[in-house]
Amino acid sequence: DTAVSQTPKYLVTQMGNDKSIKCEQNLGHDTMYWYKQDSKKFLKIMFSYNNKELIINETVPNRFSPKSPDKAHLNLHINSLELGDSAVYFCASSPLGPNQPQHFGDGTRLSIL
Amino acid sequence: AQKVTQAQTEISVVEKEDVTLDCVYETRDTTYYLFWYKQPPSGELVFLIRRNSFDEQNEISGRYSWNFQKSTSSFNFTITASQVVDSAVYFCALSVPNDYKLSFGAGTTVTVRA
Repeated sequence: DTAVSQTPKYLVTQMGNDKSIKCEQNLGHDTMYWYKQDSKKFLKIMFSYNNKELIINETVPNRFSPKSPDKAHLNLHINSLELGDSAVYFCASSPLGPNQPQHFGDGTRLSIL
Repeated sequence: AQKVTQAQTEISVVEKEDVTLDCVYETRDTTYYLFWYKQPPSGELVFLIRRNSFDEQNEISGRYSWNFQKSTSSFNFTITASQVVDSAVYFCALSVPNDYKLSFGAGTTVTVRA
């Protein structure tokens, strides 16, 4: 059983389009995250939700909007895609707490043409 | 703010050699948590270990070992008798109380040649 699953795995689209990435976890965790990994492999937090409440909102363009319909799901919607949005986006989940290991999905590779 | 430095960008070794990955961290918090993750060529991120700031005991898990030294703010990772399957990018990360995110280092790419 997949613990943290993201869809789609690959996303190729044109500049200016709007797209969504879905994430679901079946680990029973309270906290979910979105990270962005750039072309140099650097990983940076974007958002975090705990029990559907936003707890981390890093400096991210407001074209990016997370949505958590319940604590098992955290989706990422991106408006007006730009070339610089090309990256791998990882969803993760953990129990609440800074000492808790985060479990990551397989990533979604977003390519903007 | 938290900072994690992995000064080694790439390391290449021949199978069966030992390889040590350096990780140096910065934080003003006296309580903090350190992690190592592995990202193989298939792309997923795999949790390897967590260390609490108040527990300086070193740890060994099979061919993997970790050396935590608060005096030098380092949490180094050694792979003994490396194998081709160890080829991956390895990330060191840090978190602190009241800040639930992981602050990652830039990663070290390890290539193990047969």
